[in-house]
Amino acid sequence: DQQVKQNSPSLSVQEGRISILNCDYTNSMFDYFLWYKKYPAEGPTFLISISSIKDKNEDGRFTVFLNKSAKHLSLHIVPSQPGDSAVYFCAALSGSARQLTFGSGTQLTVLP
Amino acid sequence: DTGVSQNPRHKITKRGQNVTFRCDPISEHNRLYWYRQTLGQGPEFLTYFQNEAQLEKSRLLSDRFSAERPKGSFSTLEIQRTEQGDSAMYLCASSLVGGINTEAFFGQGTRLTVV
Repeated sequence: DQQVKQNSPSLSVQEGRISILNCDYTNSMFDYFLWYKKYPAEGPTFLISISSIKDKNEDGRFTVFLNKSAKHLSLHIVPSQPGDSAVYFCAALSGSARQLTFGSGTQLTVLP
Repeated sequence: DTGVSQNPRHKITKRGQNVTFRCDPISEHNRLYWYRQTLGQGPEFLTYFQNEAQLEKSRLLSDRFSAERPKGSFSTLEIQRTEQGDSAMYLCASSLVGGINTEAFFGQGTRLTVV
């Protein structure tokens, strides 16, 4: 069973517009959420995170929103740039092991 | 420190052979994780170490897999009697427990192809 779900395998956005990537989770024990970006042939790179006690975290062009009641989080990128084109993974942490549970990823393509 | 380093980057092996991968974490990080990623999926947790102790293993980690982290520094992941289903990207990550940020930093991965 997938505890972290990214239901959109791909998303195309025009340069300068907003990109919104969505993620749903089922495990109420998750207490920290992260977004990673991955380019081909590279490992995932940390982008932004949010604690379960918050509902929003902003870092430059990137904002993550958390709706605990809906078990939903989203990543907003504005303005989108061609260099943002990559696979974006939503991930969640729980327990003392702090192991990451990943979604299946969303391929973002920002068109110039 | 240049981050998490993994070797080799690519490995092609024949079914039934043994393979070993190495991971060098960020030097001050006390936790080291191994993940596996197959095409179209996110990384899946395999096992982790805190210092030299292996504290948890996923059910994905069959008896053919073994991981070590001697002296709490680098780690190795060995797969014995490889099968075609073992073909995947093997990712290593490290983190610092007790730090302000709990994000893990990943290496570039080792892509294994079993033919």
